[in-house]
Amino acid sequence: AQSVTQPDIHITVSEGASLELRCNYSYGATPYLFWYVQSPGQGLQLLLKYFSGDTLVQGIKGFEAEFKRSQSSFNLRKPSVHWSDAAEYFCAVAPYGGATNKLIFGTGTLLAVQP
Amino acid sequence: GAGVSQTPSNKVTEKGKYVELRCDPISGHTALYWYRQSLGQGPEFLIYFQGTGAADDSGLPNDRFFAVRPEGSVSTLKIQRTERGDSAVYLCASSLSPGQSQETQYFGPGTRLLVL
Repeated sequence: AQSVTQPDIHITVSEGASLELRCNYSYGATPYLFWYVQSPGQGLQLLLKYFSGDTLVQGIKGFEAEFKRSQSSFNLRKPSVHWSDAAEYFCAVAPYGGATNKLIFGTGTLLAVQP
Repeated sequence: GAGVSQTPSNKVTEKGKYVELRCDPISGHTALYWYRQSLGQGPEFLIYFQGTGAADDSGLPNDRFFAVRPEGSVSTLKIQRTERGDSAVYLCASSLSPGQSQETQYFGPGTRLLVL
């Protein structure tokens, strides 16, 4: 069965420090990969997505993610974190060529930013 | 333009009662999804509509849950005989084209359901 693992439940970083959030997936082929961010009281917002091509994907708010097929990973990075980045981050996959288009989400990583 | 809207934003009900949760997708989006997010978890897929029809309802947990989209726009998720375990945030999402896994799903703010 397809699954997504986000091994870090909670991460705290200092403002201005770099950030990497881990995501591993289990799937028979290369799926479509997504990162969403959820702020309190807000809906999920798409940060970036990977379908094919260049394995380094740029997203909004200065985020990027790198797809590594050999590691079945799609880690999210940001070189310098801002206090407004404090939120919960979800990695998700959608099956390649799937008819249902449903997203399978990880359990999320809650990011806290220290001043 | 307007995003996905969901009403009510919060719903408190008693065990055994019936509830309806409404989703108004982005205008022109033919695909609509319902997800459920329990505390400390990621969203879990419930059901997917292409137009008026439910193309995949494999995520509905049991027959107490039902969803409709009669005119291919607004959708209603209906829960009968609610149980305390149904307490969660119910998220709705829509996307422009059906049948395209790479289409971005745009999420609403969710309805927080609490069953007492």
